[in-house]
Amino acid sequence: GAVVSQHPSWVICKSGTSVKIECRSLDFQATTMFWYRQFPKQSLMLMATSNEGSKATYEQGVEKDKFLINHASLTLSTLTVTSAHPEDSSFYICSARETTGLDTQYFGPGTRLTVL
Amino acid sequence: GENVEQHPSTLSVQEGDSAVIKCTYSDSASNYFPWYKQELGKGPQLIIDIRSNVGEKKDQRIAVTLNKTAKHFSLHITETQPEDSAVYFCAAIPYSGGYQKVTFGIGTKLQVIP
Repeated sequence: GAVVSQHPSWVICKSGTSVKIECRSLDFQATTMFWYRQFPKQSLMLMATSNEGSKATYEQGVEKDKFLINHASLTLSTLTVTSAHPEDSSFYICSARETTGLDTQYFGPGTRLTVL
Repeated sequence: GENVEQHPSTLSVQEGDSAVIKCTYSDSASNYFPWYKQELGKGPQLIIDIRSNVGEKKDQRIAVTLNKTAKHFSLHITETQPEDSAVYFCAAIPYSGGYQKVTFGIGTKLQVIP
């Protein structure tokens, strides 16, 4: 149980285009989902917390207009990287927390974004 | 805010030996401590967790210990196998029933040498 999927698993795009990444909880409902960014050989950096039906909470230094987050249902959150640039190239990982109130977070497999 | 320190950053062991990874945290409000294993190109996978009302938890070859007084917790892997090679992250969470921010350690790259 507690499976989180991400789509796509990898994407290559041209500079200036927008990319949408989906995060789904497959066998549980997630009131809260989290988006992380990970650079090579580094730890996970929390970008934002996504709550179903409300606006996302962004961490300090993360541009909310560049990284648009939508959490339209209890099983789906999306991250859109708008007007992507090469410096946005990274590994993006989502996680989901069950609505049961337990604090365990389950991570998706990640999305590798390369901006040319 | 919470600060989690993890060491060592890299660890090489012979197959069959034990591996120990240690973490310390700063926020006494933290009460939930998960450990994640991340293989190359994949997302982190929860392997074991411990809550502050427990001092030790074991699951087959993996065990975690927690010392609340000293604010440190450790991951122990016994009888290591090559498939244990990965990056391991510890984390500390002050569970409050609502929004929670996970603070991760920097990660430990474990290499099990056959």
